Amino acid sequence: NAGVMQNPRHLVRRRGQEARLRCSPMKGHSHVYWYRQLPEEGLKFMVYLQKENIIDESGMPKERFSAEFPKEGPSILRIQQVVRGDSAAYFCASSSGQGNGYTFGSGTRLTVV
Amino acid sequence: QKEVEQDPGPLSVPEGAIVSLNCTYSNSAFQYFMWYRQYSRKGPELLMYTYSSGNKEDGRFTAQVDKSSKYISLFIRDSQPSDSATYLCAMIFNQAGTALIFGKGTTLSVSS
Repeated sequence: NAGVMQNPRHLVRRRGQEARLRCSPMKGHSHVYWYRQLPEEGLKFMVYLQKENIIDESGMPKERFSAEFPKEGPSILRIQQVVRGDSAAYFCASSSGQGNGYTFGSGTRLTVV
Repeated sequence: QKEVEQDPGPLSVPEGAIVSLNCTYSNSAFQYFMWYRQYSRKGPELLMYTYSSGNKEDGRFTAQVDKSSKYISLFIRDSQPSDSATYLCAMIFNQAGTALIFGKGTTLSVSS
């Protein structure tokens, strides 16, 4: 009974490259959320997806960031042309939408050099 | 004014102490309240989930919600060194998939 699986755990990218972060929700969960955590700051909501639909992307930067949750496979958070300011821990959470709380993955730590 | 305010600490206590962690919020539309624990370089782990005003107890942990004052608390009894972590309060407007809004977290250190 695996929890929320995120990979890779650590990702190093040079400025200008693309970063792809993957998240497989818990079995039975169809709601996926992406959060970003910067040092000394709390978790900031980025985007909420259900299968094949973006429900709320109000926390996503307008440029370079995109997310998807296809019918088959994991949810993907993509950051194009990364900059140093994108260095952070990115967490994915999933829920059943039935009020049982949100389960988080262990995160992907992105470092842009 | 931020939506959710939480004192970042750090908070240092001796083993066995009672710990009180608090958050205030500004939007009375928040209905569900959670406390998460996050160890260094790990993902947040759900500790407590509450809806109504009042107390909810689970082992050494008690969550308290006062909606009239827009104030929530987490109490830890008989604190242990293994409780040393960052504690994040979080809240949502409803259960149907809206995003959690987090406080910045309070860092707790329990010394043996």
